[in-house]
Amino acid sequence: DSGVTQTPKHLITATGQRVTLRCSPRSGDLSVYWYQQSLDQGLQFLIQYYNGEERAKGNILERFSAQQFPDLHSELNLSSLELGDSALYFCASSVGEGHGSPLHFGNGTRLTVT
Amino acid sequence: GQNIDQPTEMTATEGAIVQINCTYQTSGFNGLFWYQQHAGEAPTFLSYNVLDGLEEKGRFSSFLSRSKGYSYLLLKELQMKDSASYLCAVRARDSNYQLIWGAGTKLIIKP
Repeated sequence: DSGVTQTPKHLITATGQRVTLRCSPRSGDLSVYWYQQSLDQGLQFLIQYYNGEERAKGNILERFSAQQFPDLHSELNLSSLELGDSALYFCASSVGEGHGSPLHFGNGTRLTVT
Repeated sequence: GQNIDQPTEMTATEGAIVQINCTYQTSGFNGLFWYQQHAGEAPTFLSYNVLDGLEEKGRFSSFLSRSKGYSYLLLKELQMKDSASYLCAVRARDSNYQLIWGAGTKLIIKP
């Protein structure tokens, strides 16, 4: 158990809808990262927050947004969903802003868009 | 630009040793990580190298040569549960210190 909690575990929704994925980092970790992993694809970095502030953006679509709250949990909002958004979405956390700290991943949310 | 290369798939026998290679091209190298990922599960941290040399952790070891842009993960005494994908990830200045991930090496262990 990495200590990173993601909910829900599974999500099935229709095209055009909006969903929110939730992540609680490990105790003491200030950084939260969101990744997307499509079937048999590599990990695609979406966005990083550190202590409530956005730190870095990757290949995140404009339809997607995220935030990190004062209690350090984070939410990833996906809107106007398309079939191609079906994927595993992982949240990871680390102690610092990143440099030498390994990322610890949650078990992911499997999103299916029908 | 940044690039990380790993073999797509490897097969090895239970009890044997396997070496998974990773080569990278980056500017301002700042560390290399190895992760294990079972299908449909979360990646789990295995090792971190920032200086040249070998880091040993039980059955798993990781080696880094910064001058060659090369790392390998060595798995000894292979067990069936080691069947998984192994991901190499590099942190560098030219990626704004975000991890750049390889596509992963799928390791198949046969009895």
